[in-house]
Amino acid sequence: AQKITQTQPGMFVQEKEAVTLDCTYDTSDQSYGLFWYKQPSSGEMIFLIYQGSYDEQNATEGRYSLNFQKARKSANLVISASQLGDSAMYFCAMREELGFQKLVFGTGTRLLVSP
Amino acid sequence: NAGVTQTPKFRILKIGQSMTLQCAQDMNHNYMYWYRQDPGMGLKLIYYSVGAGITDKGEVPNGYNVSRSTTEDFPLRLELAAPSQTSVYFCAIGGGQGSLGYGYTFGSGTRLTVV
Repeated sequence: AQKITQTQPGMFVQEKEAVTLDCTYDTSDQSYGLFWYKQPSSGEMIFLIYQGSYDEQNATEGRYSLNFQKARKSANLVISASQLGDSAMYFCAMREELGFQKLVFGTGTRLLVSP
Repeated sequence: NAGVTQTPKFRILKIGQSMTLQCAQDMNHNYMYWYRQDPGMGLKLIYYSVGAGITDKGEVPNGYNVSRSTTEDFPLRLELAAPSQTSVYFCAIGGGQGSLGYGYTFGSGTRLTVV
């Protein structure tokens, strides 16, 4: 069965600095996808970035990058040049590419960006 | 193009009452999901559907029922509401062939309180 672990309940970072949010996963499948979502205080789920298990390059989307280390089964999110608007909950999620492709979520990390 | 629409946004139920959470999508997507998010936690899958007439249980299905008579609608029924069902409920679409690299689209959520 799939499992996502986020060990940092909360993280603090100063504006304009970079921050890494940790995510480890467990699966017996060879083909899977890894996602990061942002949930601001308003509650909506915002898709940030995706990494496929066969992608050789780390995914990047603007200020977001995913540090994918397959052997370690980790998929850390790196946010560069943090902004006040980055303060939110961040969830790592995984799905298997076969079957019904259900998303399995971690428990999340709350990020606070200070001026 | 509204994406995924959930109604109502808020609801207070008394113990033992029943209600239906509505989810409608206008993206003609076959795969639909219902998640619940308890305070400070990640999302857990309640039920999912891969097309009209096809539904299956997720991780936490007890106390809920679903139906999928059309591609557009995927209502979630709560029978005999209990305080343990106090949560935020999210409907989502995503997955399926050709969806690699694309995030799932979530509705804005229904905040349910059972008293």
